Amino acid sequence: AQRVTQPEKLLSVFKGAPVELKCNYSYSGSPELFWYVQYSRQRLQLLLRHISRESIKGFTADLNKGETSFHLKKPFAQEEDSAMYYCALIQGAQKLVFGQGTRLTINP
Amino acid sequence: EAGVAQSPRYKIIEKRQSVAFWCNPISGHATLYWYQQILGQGPKLLIQFQNNGVVDDSQLPKDRFSAERLKGVDSTLKIQPAKLEDSAVYLCASRSPRASNTGELFFGEGSRLTVL
Repeated sequence: AQRVTQPEKLLSVFKGAPVELKCNYSYSGSPELFWYVQYSRQRLQLLLRHISRESIKGFTADLNKGETSFHLKKPFAQEEDSAMYYCALIQGAQKLVFGQGTRLTINP
Repeated sequence: EAGVAQSPRYKIIEKRQSVAFWCNPISGHATLYWYQQILGQGPKLLIQFQNNGVVDDSQLPKDRFSAERLKGVDSTLKIQPAKLEDSAVYLCASRSPRASNTGELFFGEGSRLTVL
């Protein structure tokens, strides 16, 4: 079965330090992967998608099919990056399957 | 444009009672989803509609949960009778027909259910 695994429930780093949120997946076929973010008291929203190969708010994520990973990275963390981050993949007819989420805390 | 609207925001009931949640998606969004998010877990899909037809309800506990999307716009999710383990946030999301294969879902604020 298709599955998304985020091994870290909590991640805490200092402001200005690099951030990496891990995501591994199992999928038979060509996966489409995404990162969603939920800031405090806000709705869950799309952060970035691997197809676009874009950088959003300084975050990037590269799909590594060999390691079946889609880690989210940012070179210099900012306090406003504190949030819940969910890795997700598309399955079937636009069904989005989410990981367990990682709570990122940026310490001043 | 207005976002996905959900109500009520909060609901507390006792086990074996019933509850209903309502969702109004973004105008023009044909695909509507209901997710269940238990504390500490990621959202889990309960049911997916395309217009007023069900695309996927494989994880919907059909003995107690039901959902409908009459006229292909608003949707309601009902739980009857509720169990303690149904305590969760129920998220509604919708997707634009122009966003095929992009995976961009627009979420509502959620309805938080507490079952005592």
